[in-house]
Amino acid sequence: GNSVTQMEGPVTLSEEAFLTINCTYTATGYPSLFWYVQYPGEGLQLLLKATKADDKGSNKGFEATYRKETTSFHLEKGSVQVSDSAVYFCALTSPGSGGSNYKLTFGKGTLLTVNP
Amino acid sequence: EADIYQTPRYLVIGTGKKITLECSQTMGHDKMYWYQQDPGMELHLIHYSYGVNSTEKGDLSSESTVSRIRTEHFPLTLESARPSHTSQYLCASSRDPRAEQYFGPGTRLTVT
Repeated sequence: GNSVTQMEGPVTLSEEAFLTINCTYTATGYPSLFWYVQYPGEGLQLLLKATKADDKGSNKGFEATYRKETTSFHLEKGSVQVSDSAVYFCALTSPGSGGSNYKLTFGKGTLLTVNP
Repeated sequence: EADIYQTPRYLVIGTGKKITLECSQTMGHDKMYWYQQDPGMELHLIHYSYGVNSTEKGDLSSESTVSRIRTEHFPLTLESARPSHTSQYLCASSRDPRAEQYFGPGTRLTVT
């Protein structure tokens, strides 16, 4: 079946530090890959996505590259801000058994805290 | 910005009460979903719908039920709330099951 494994948190960084949150996946077929962010007290927001191998998704200074050879989709940001403090979820959509019934499979989430 | 709404945002209710959590979207999406988010942040799909009059159970067994009478509306009902139902409930929609999902702000339910 499909699965997503992401770096366990919590992750605590100082402002302007470099961020990497690792994400690897197992999937049938050719998955689409996503990073979602959840700010305190809110629902999830799509941060970025990539739909095929070697695609790079980017938004708000965050980037992730779809690496089919290593089945990875690591999230990076060169200089984090206090406002980036949130929970980050890696996710994928891929067909389930029988090639149908696409669902969104999430990792367990990584809590990021950025201190001033 | 996605147009998906959930009410109420917070609900504290006693054991045995019947509750309905509302979810509406104005994007015309056929696909809608309910997730339960535990305190450890993990998300579990409990119900989904691929269109009007279509509902399916998700990966996590839930005592809740859902209905889909209108495209834009996907309410979740608990006939008899229990403390074990205390959780955050998130509604989402998408234009295609392979595409990104748009999430509402969530309902935080506490059953005393």
